[in-house]
Amino acid sequence: DTGVSQDPRHKITKRGQNVTFRCDPISEHNRLYWYRQTLGQGPEFLTYFQNEAQLEKSRLLSDRFSAERPKGSFSTLEIQRTEQGDSAMYLCASSLSLDRGEKLFFGSGTQLSVL
Amino acid sequence: DQQVKQNSPSLSVQEGRISILNCDYTNSMFDYFLWYKKYPAEGPTFLISISSIKDKNEDGRFTVFLNKSAKHLSLHIVPSQPGDSAVYFCAANKAVGRLYFGRGTQLTVWP
Repeated sequence: DTGVSQDPRHKITKRGQNVTFRCDPISEHNRLYWYRQTLGQGPEFLTYFQNEAQLEKSRLLSDRFSAERPKGSFSTLEIQRTEQGDSAMYLCASSLSLDRGEKLFFGSGTQLSVL
Repeated sequence: DQQVKQNSPSLSVQEGRISILNCDYTNSMFDYFLWYKKYPAEGPTFLISISSIKDKNEDGRFTVFLNKSAKHLSLHIVPSQPGDSAVYFCAANKAVGRLYFGRGTQLTVWP
């Protein structure tokens, strides 16, 4: 399977705990994105990397959130001291940067439930 | 601020008929527009796209129309099939980089 892979698919945690998600992009893709989606909303941008450099972060990404892509391949998204409002589907996407017409390929997401 | 808007949360169409999903945007810097389809518990899947230099793009049963002066695009599905039932997201970007998504339209195609 050469698609975007996310792990775990589901995560249930208690408020205040830390969680970490992993994303493995399509191998030749140099850009990697994190999005969050809640019920009834479209995906909301969190952050993106080009290779190992984090190029943009949304204001949605509070200090409790941190993302890394240490070798320009897989990425991790960590949420510290989780809150109930963090419950959402966390989506990873990758793309190959082009001069025009960038198309993102999404993984199946990690569904986070904070109790 | 929602720069991409899908004002119809749901659409119900009979099998074989045309489905028309609409999308409006506010940012004139958007240069590339995409439609994604999403099933429950899965990530969005790319469907079709259009560059701002075109006003129409067709791929099989799917056609996207772009009206730049009105900042409006639409997705036509002809003929609609029950397997098309899903949430459809309109998205836009400034040629490269992050995508801005609408809130989605739930399409239901009934037999």
